[in-house]
Amino acid sequence: AQSVAQPEDQVNVAEGNPLTVKCTYSVSGNPYLFWYVQYPNRGLQFLLKYITGDNLVKGSYGFEAEFNKSQTSFHLKKPSALVSDSALYFCAVREGAGNNRKLIWGLGTSLAVNP
Amino acid sequence: DGGITQSPKYLFRKEGQNVTLSCEQNLNHDAMYWYRQDPGQGLRLIYYSQIVNDFQKGDIAEGYSVSREKKESFPLTVTSAQKNPTAFYLCASSPEGGRGSNSPLHFGNGTRLTVT
Repeated sequence: AQSVAQPEDQVNVAEGNPLTVKCTYSVSGNPYLFWYVQYPNRGLQFLLKYITGDNLVKGSYGFEAEFNKSQTSFHLKKPSALVSDSALYFCAVREGAGNNRKLIWGLGTSLAVNP
Repeated sequence: DGGITQSPKYLFRKEGQNVTLSCEQNLNHDAMYWYRQDPGQGLRLIYYSQIVNDFQKGDIAEGYSVSREKKESFPLTVTSAQKNPTAFYLCASSPEGGRGSNSPLHFGNGTRLTVT
């Protein structure tokens, strides 16, 4: 069965330090992978996606993510965190082939960037 | 600016009443979705529509109903049959929702429904 896991409910990082928000997935075919960010009482905003090609994907607001097929991971990274990056981050996966194209969501990781 | 508008932002209802949440998009997207968000549970799909006059149940459709009479509108009715309706409801759209779609979702800013 398809699944996606965000193993950390919360990540704390100091402003200016690099940040990583982890995501691992399980699909039977090639995955389509997405990261979204949600600020309080707002909808989700798309950050980046991996469909095919270069394993390092660059997205909005200086975020990037690395697709690692052998580890079935798609961790979100940023070299230098800002206080304004504090938000809830969601990873999502869709199987790239087959009859079931359902989008599966992680439970979210709350990122707190401390000044 | 193109986008998705959800209204109202906050909604309060008494138990036993039906309530309809509005979702309008001017992005010319074919596919629209309704999600429910509860703390610690992520996003759960209620209903989705890939084209006008067609919609399918998601994972938690019981107690909800939708219509898609116009491309730009996808209202969600929370009926009295929904046992735990208090939640944050998110509407989303994408250019196409068919199989193989790699299009990201565009979200509205949500409606927070409180039923007492």
